[in-house]
Amino acid sequence: SYELTQPPSLSVSPGQTASITCSGDKLGEKYVSWYQQKPGQSPVVVIYQDTKRPSGIPERFSGSNSGNTATLTISGTQTVDEADYYCQTWDYTTVAFGGGTKLTVL
Amino acid sequence: QITLQESGPTLVKPTQTLTLTCTFSGFSLKTSGEGVGWIRQPPGKALEWLALIYWDDDQHYSPSLKSRLTITKDTSKNQVVLTMTYMDPVDTATYYCAHTVTMIRGRVRYMDVWGKGTTVTVSS
Repeated sequence: SYELTQPPSLSVSPGQTASITCSGDKLGEKYVSWYQQKPGQSPVVVIYQDTKRPSGIPERFSGSNSGNTATLTISGTQTVDEADYYCQTWDYTTVAFGGGTKLTVL
Repeated sequence: QITLQESGPTLVKPTQTLTLTCTFSGFSLKTSGEGVGWIRQPPGKALEWLALIYWDDDQHYSPSLKSRLTITKDTSKNQVVLTMTYMDPVDTATYYCAHTVTMIRGRVRYMDVWGKGTTVTVSS
């Protein structure tokens, strides 16, 4: 099965840029989505098809994907962005999730 | 507006079979392109994808759990059912169902709307 690797944690100060990476073999040849999950809540998609934002997702969320790494970037990170973030892709016949990154904003 | 709601037992015994139902509204599994998937999350751990079913009954399963899982749909009731056999304490988790979007000839597949999840504990 296809593996996606994320750093377990990342800390940033409010107003800084947070970059969360997701790596996998030739990941740039696939499409990646990103989910935000706050404690006790269901995941919410914040980026799909590598770079697209669903309606209602703030512009400070952006995505990129090239080579073996996809990146979720949060510009001007706010305290409300503190959450777990998961990358996800489709590998021919199955869905794969990354292990998640806990973003702390302090 | 798409909504999904999971239902099922909160407690099952080891070796028993778990049956979960996802009842949805706002779309139909009779419509081309529509899909519903199941994802679980053990306490304090990551999301794990389980299974996916499409309007045409195309089914996909997690390779590591394929032998234990069955996903079916009842279009008349707007429901998707997941069964998991031989439950073990490690299967204790919150189980989510989610509407799955498919685009670009199937190369893009993501979950755009999730249910609130149902917590299942496996214990004797």
